[in-house]
Amino acid sequence: ETGVTQSPTHLIKTRGQQVTLRCSSQSGHNTVSWYQQALGQGPQFIFQYYREEENGRGNFPPRFSGLQFPNYSSELNVNALELDDSALYLCASSVVETGNEQFFGPGTRLTVL
Amino acid sequence: AQSVTQLGSHVSVSEGALVLLRCNYSSSVPPYLFWYVQYPNQGLQLLLKYTTGATLVKGINGFEAEFKKSETSFHLTKPSAHMSDAAEYFCAVSDYGGSQGNLIFGKGTKLSVKP
Repeated sequence: ETGVTQSPTHLIKTRGQQVTLRCSSQSGHNTVSWYQQALGQGPQFIFQYYREEENGRGNFPPRFSGLQFPNYSSELNVNALELDDSALYLCASSVVETGNEQFFGPGTRLTVL
Repeated sequence: AQSVTQLGSHVSVSEGALVLLRCNYSSSVPPYLFWYVQYPNQGLQLLLKYTTGATLVKGINGFEAEFKKSETSFHLTKPSAHMSDAAEYFCAVSDYGGSQGNLIFGKGTKLSVKP
């Protein structure tokens, strides 16, 4: 059974640029959630995708957007990057119908200069 | 709204000593509670969870936690610390309650283990 994978591992961007982060769900999972973990903080919920539609959103501006594909993989897009967007971005997959226990990937470390 | 408070951003214990990491929660619905561990430069690994039923929950690596509704607490313990337990630990509550919600995390407690 393949776990949750994320790419790239690390990324450096400059302020104002756009970035796309990718996540492959664990086999059999139909739901993907994204979290932002700033340095020294706990993860904060960005949004969740279920059956290719946004199924809940945290307190993040619209420049944070996402997609879920038919194979349940997902993308997180961030436009107009700001310095405060520097963080570890975590993807978690789950099966809503059987308890929604979330399995996390290793994360993508984004640095905005 | 649900929230989580972890008391102590840094806890240091000696190898073989008791580990106690504190977590208090606030929830307007019966909570689902979780403890996750994060090793440096890695994602989160689930240690244990409380949903319903038995209030003493056993997890991986010898950890356990007890749900105390009257104290709104879910403290994590391990009888004897091992060097490999050094990591950051996060307590979380499901934001909608039940199984459908996403996770609200505390700020984390970094555990150091001294030889």
